[in-house]
Amino acid sequence: QVQMVQSGAEVKKPGASVKVSCKTSGYTFTLYGINWVRQAPGQGLEWMGWISVYNGNTNYAQKLQGRVTMTTDTSTSTAYMELRSLRSDDTAMYFCARGAVAGRGDYWGQGTLVTVSS
Amino acid sequence: DIVMTQSPLSLPVTPGEPASISCRSSQSLYSNGYNYLDWYLQKPGQSPQLLIYLASNRASGVPDRFSGSGSGTDFTLKISRVEAEDAGVYYCIQTLQTPVIFGPGTKVDIK
Repeated sequence: QVQMVQSGAEVKKPGASVKVSCKTSGYTFTLYGINWVRQAPGQGLEWMGWISVYNGNTNYAQKLQGRVTMTTDTSTSTAYMELRSLRSDDTAMYFCARGAVAGRGDYWGQGTLVTVSS
Repeated sequence: DIVMTQSPLSLPVTPGEPASISCRSSQSLYSNGYNYLDWYLQKPGQSPQLLIYLASNRASGVPDRFSGSGSGTDFTLKISRVEAEDAGVYYCIQTLQTPVIFGPGTKVDIK
């Protein structure tokens, strides 16, 4: 069965970076892309971007351009999302989701809570 | 960017009764024979789950009491008979173009 298992919660100081991992199993990793979506406390869902595992092409939300990098490691079927220059408003639950296209996620990770606080 | 709106934003429902949520986009989501509109449900404390894709296709494992309809800019998610497990926040999302935009969400509470 398809599984998406994310790394554990992180606490970071403003200005630092965080890298969240999403280890997948149960399907052919290169046949799908990976969406990253975040949710600030008590708020709605915000799409961050999508990466094609097949060719590494990325599509990022404009507001995160320059601060976010999405990558994959096909040898371990793992996707990564790195967010730099963290601010307090980056405090959120971060989700990965398998998706053939940007925005559509048919299997989701359990979420990784990233807290940015001085 | 395409703007997504939903109504109502809050919906109290009685088990066994039908429920309906509306989603509208600022631009047509129709292209190449498809409407690029998906629906998600996020139950309390859980990750979102895909319910409907391309406006009217149920995702794998989704009960047939859920149905999606609409075209262009106006879409509807219907639950034929609400069950207690259907409580949560329902989001529509356009996948026609990036940036992908979620609607604000409709919170469904079971009476």
